[in-house]
Amino acid sequence: DAKTTQPTSMDCAEGRAANLPCNHSTISGNEYVYWYRQIHSQGPQYIIHGLKNNETNEMASLIITEDRKSSTLILPHATLRDTAVYYCIVKAGGSEKLVFGKGTKLTVNP
Amino acid sequence: ETGVTQTPRHLVMGMTNKKSLKCEQHLGHNAMYWYKQSAKKPLELMFVYNFKEQTENNSVPSRFSPECPNSSHLFLHLHTLQPEDSALYLCASSRETSGIVNEQFFGPGTRLTVL
Repeated sequence: DAKTTQPTSMDCAEGRAANLPCNHSTISGNEYVYWYRQIHSQGPQYIIHGLKNNETNEMASLIITEDRKSSTLILPHATLRDTAVYYCIVKAGGSEKLVFGKGTKLTVNP
Repeated sequence: ETGVTQTPRHLVMGMTNKKSLKCEQHLGHNAMYWYKQSAKKPLELMFVYNFKEQTENNSVPSRFSPECPNSSHLFLHLHTLQPEDSALYLCASSRETSGIVNEQFFGPGTRLTVL
């Protein structure tokens, strides 16, 4: 599975959009981009995934560049409860392994 | 509430003890996973079970012994652990392992301390 690069930490003001970037320049054609988050002392939570088209669900939007070498997770109106570590993971369809990196620690400030 | 429960939530054990961690999923999934999260380290996949068969053992020491009696239950039996085994142990489940999209649902974890 391709590796990902994320900033170590980010800050965001409550009510503003949080844009979390992820680089995955070695992604292969059959690999999906997944985002999970882990709130302190809890298990990770699935957020969203995509292959090449932009995706949106009730939690977030995922923007994938046309060359698929990077993506951005967007939390449109961040709240204090969105403070967590966000993981960007690249995984081939049909693969059972989720390989977690260090992620981005997002702090939403009041 | 993710539909994946783990017990106990906290466990303190000595190096000579034998204990077991339990995971149960109420989602009708066929795949279950054990992960380990040590302090300041990324989550590490330990074991994968698909339809009760072990499909992945990520070079885990034999002092950790998994058991999957059915698709809804997963155990991790612990014996003669070391202090460095202290960590958060997370269980997860998914529909199956070979699906194109393999969203995993995680339990809250068991915080293990080995004295």
